[in-house]
Amino acid sequence: ETGVTQTPRHLVMGMTNKKSLKCEQHLGHNAMYWYKQSAKKPLELMFVYSLEERVENNSVPSRFSPECPNSSHLFLHLHTLQPEDSALYLCASSQGTSGQGGETQYFGPGTRLLVL
Amino acid sequence: AQSVTQLGSHVSVSEGALVLLRCNYSSSVPPYLFWYVQYPNQGLQLLLKYTSAATLVKGINGFEAEFKKSETSFHLTKPSAHMSDAAEYFCAVSVPLGGATNKLIFGTGTLLAVQP
Repeated sequence: ETGVTQTPRHLVMGMTNKKSLKCEQHLGHNAMYWYKQSAKKPLELMFVYSLEERVENNSVPSRFSPECPNSSHLFLHLHTLQPEDSALYLCASSQGTSGQGGETQYFGPGTRLLVL
Repeated sequence: AQSVTQLGSHVSVSEGALVLLRCNYSSSVPPYLFWYVQYPNQGLQLLLKYTSAATLVKGINGFEAEFKKSETSFHLTKPSAHMSDAAEYFCAVSVPLGGATNKLIFGTGTLLAVQP
């Protein structure tokens, strides 16, 4: 595997289900990100981790719970979601060595989530 | 606050014609600017980025963008469109966060159609 991988690619869940999204980066990066891409809305940053420590929680509802057990893996645990949470969830990583803000983020293919 | 605006949510060109996708930014400090492309059912792929080294930035697939401070613009161009260029294009500005991470603030995207 190369780059950033995400599983599953597609997920359908009911509002009472609990599921998890997985992201793995094979780039040796220190920083990982979750973004949400909804129809007709700009991509929104959800969470940021640097060396397994959460750096940013962008006012995301508690029904989304991130976990970063090491610098290569990132999870997004989902429970009691709402239909409006249906979206494409994108994971990204960056080197996480420069504080200047210009590092490139490399994205995975995303998980297409449908909440019924 | 930093932001980007993409003018034109849909752009249609003929194969072989010039591609021009517009992006204007708002930033109180010298910005880091990015263009990403998203093909159907895929994640985001970096086309090019501006980091103040040169105002004309060349990217992959024949695309380039010119940073114009006086116009606060970073428009994306390609001299001759190819059918394979049909995709959605996102302009983004980067904001530094803690832990040597950064937040990408995206525009709303421009869907490029290429007519035969």
